[in-house]
Amino acid sequence: EPEVTQTPSHQVTQMGQEVILRCVPISNHLYFYWYRQILGQKVEFLVSFYNNEISEKSEIFDDQFSVERPDGSNFTLKIRSTKLEDSAMYFCASTAQGQGATDTQYFGPGTRLTVL
Amino acid sequence: QKEVEQNSGPLSVPEGAIASLNCTYSDRGSQSFFWYRQYSGKSPELIMFIYSNGDKEDGRFTAQLNKASQYVSLLIRDSQPSDSATYLCAVITVSGYALNFGKGTSLLVTP
Repeated sequence: EPEVTQTPSHQVTQMGQEVILRCVPISNHLYFYWYRQILGQKVEFLVSFYNNEISEKSEIFDDQFSVERPDGSNFTLKIRSTKLEDSAMYFCASTAQGQGATDTQYFGPGTRLTVL
Repeated sequence: QKEVEQNSGPLSVPEGAIASLNCTYSDRGSQSFFWYRQYSGKSPELIMFIYSNGDKEDGRFTAQLNKASQYVSLLIRDSQPSDSATYLCAVITVSGYALNFGKGTSLLVTP
């Protein structure tokens, strides 16, 4: 069964450093998403991406964040200068169609980011 | 901020019983509703979605939607210890892209 993959599974970084989290969405999917979950809190939407453009972003997704689809398979989330409060689990998701009335968002296993 | 509310639990039910999980949402324009299951340290896994008023059944799971009351529920019949997890209610935002999640209800099924 096709699945979303994410690397690395755990990333440890120093405050102020840049990190890039990588995702490989399901191959025929067209819409891509990043969510985060701070430990003990709810899953929060960050950004959605379609046709090489951001289609929606949340208030969390400020100028420190960027997304890119550098090739035909990868989808990346970059945090330019990490803060302690960026420590969270980051989930990538993808859907085939995007306008989500019945379309399912499939989640990857997540990358745990720890900022020291 | 549009809210999705769930009782955090834990909800404890004996094995074989029916577990009932509830969710309310504030955006009256919401159209699509999802239930995900999340085991500790893992990613959300879709159980089912519903977008019409009434009941929708899938195996041991039944989702119920009442748009007038802005209420979604999930029933799990014949609960098993393996069902012990956090159940997340999620609503598609008006834009149609983002999922707005509740905080989840922790379910414990005791043998």
